[in-house]
Amino acid sequence: GDSVTQMEGPVTLSEEAFLTINCTYTATGYPSLFWYVQYPGEGLQLLLKATKADDKGSNKGFEATYRKETTSFHLEKGSVQVSDSAVYFCALNPKETSGSRLTFGEGTQLTVNP
Amino acid sequence: GAVVSQHPSWVICKSGTSVKIECRSLDFQATTMFWYRQFPKQSLMLMATSNEGSKATYEQGVEKDKFLINHASLTLSTLTVTSAHPEDSSFYICSASIGTGNSPLHFGNGTRLTVT
Repeated sequence: GDSVTQMEGPVTLSEEAFLTINCTYTATGYPSLFWYVQYPGEGLQLLLKATKADDKGSNKGFEATYRKETTSFHLEKGSVQVSDSAVYFCALNPKETSGSRLTFGEGTQLTVNP
Repeated sequence: GAVVSQHPSWVICKSGTSVKIECRSLDFQATTMFWYRQFPKQSLMLMATSNEGSKATYEQGVEKDKFLINHASLTLSTLTVTSAHPEDSSFYICSASIGTGNSPLHFGNGTRLTVT
């Protein structure tokens, strides 16, 4: 079945540090890939997405590139801020299915210290 | 942008009682809604897929008689936790999709359920 694997957290960084959160996936066909962010006590917000190989999703300084050859979708940001502290989820949607049924990774807790 | 409202945001109930959680799409019609459960420091586990006007599709291992889902209109789905037990305590999150295929999911802010 489909699955998403994220790097284990928690990740603690200083403000302005470079961020990478690894995400790899297993899926049949050509899934769409997503990064969601969850702030404390809240639901999930879509951060960025990519729907085909070599696509780059970007938003709020975050980027991720859909790498089919390595089945990866790593999240990066060049300079993190304290306000980026949250849990980040990598997810996929197999295009063969109807609706938007997502499979999530385990989530990575990011804490950014001033 | 599309907004999904979930209510209540938190609820405390006694063992044996039932709790209803509402999920509303405020500015769009949601053909499909999804209910997730999240344990502390863990990922989201899909519980069921709810389609307007039809029975929900439950994931393997989810008791449909315990977690009753009703999707009576294109803007409202409800999850009722029946005869709640402390092990049902969790964070429940709904999401809604406008269409099919790769339509983006919009998430509610979740409901923190504590069963005493």
